[in-house]
Amino acid sequence: GQNIDQPTEMTATEGAIVQINCTYQTSGFNGLFWYQQHAGEAPTFLSYNVLDGLEEKGRFSSFLSRSKGYSYLLLKELQMKDSASYLCAVIESNYQLIWGAGTKLIIKP
Amino acid sequence: IAGITQAPTSQILAAGRRMTLRCTQDMRHNAMYWYRQDLGLGLRLIHYSNTAGTTGKGEVPDGYSVSRANTDDFPLTLASAVPSQTSVYFCASSEGDSNEQFFGPGTRLTVL
Repeated sequence: GQNIDQPTEMTATEGAIVQINCTYQTSGFNGLFWYQQHAGEAPTFLSYNVLDGLEEKGRFSSFLSRSKGYSYLLLKELQMKDSASYLCAVIESNYQLIWGAGTKLIIKP
Repeated sequence: IAGITQAPTSQILAAGRRMTLRCTQDMRHNAMYWYRQDLGLGLRLIHYSNTAGTTGKGEVPDGYSVSRANTDDFPLTLASAVPSQTSVYFCASSEGDSNEQFFGPGTRLTVL
């Protein structure tokens, strides 16, 4: 069946680096998204990977390995405003998006 | 309007009542979606529409209906609300089915 796994919660220190992992088992694969969601707000787009490798965008990078069914989101130079949930989502072969439950990231000073 | 809007922001509803959640986008996106988000669970797709005039069922469609009479609007109707439909509902739109989805601010619905 379809399944997307992410850690439920992670804690990191301001200024540090954190890696949030996502593993997936889905019916086909047409791409993977990472979204950020602050408490009480809507998800907002961070990154999209469809080919293997690393996509870098400022302090945020996202990596994909299709053969391993694995992605990670790397956040550098953490800021307090990065405290949020990070959602991994996979586009299946029928082009529907399957979402992970999200990883709540807590940043401590 | 800028982007995608939803109404109401929040609502408390008695069980058995009918309720329509509204969603409007001004980006001329073809695809629109309705999700519910519950604590500890990922976003779950209720219904979607790939283009005006067509709709499809998502993962959790029971108890909900949608219509897509035009490109901009995609209302979600609960015909007879039940407490298990208490949730936060997000509407989203995208240019195509492989593209980034843009989300509305959400509707917090409580069914008593």
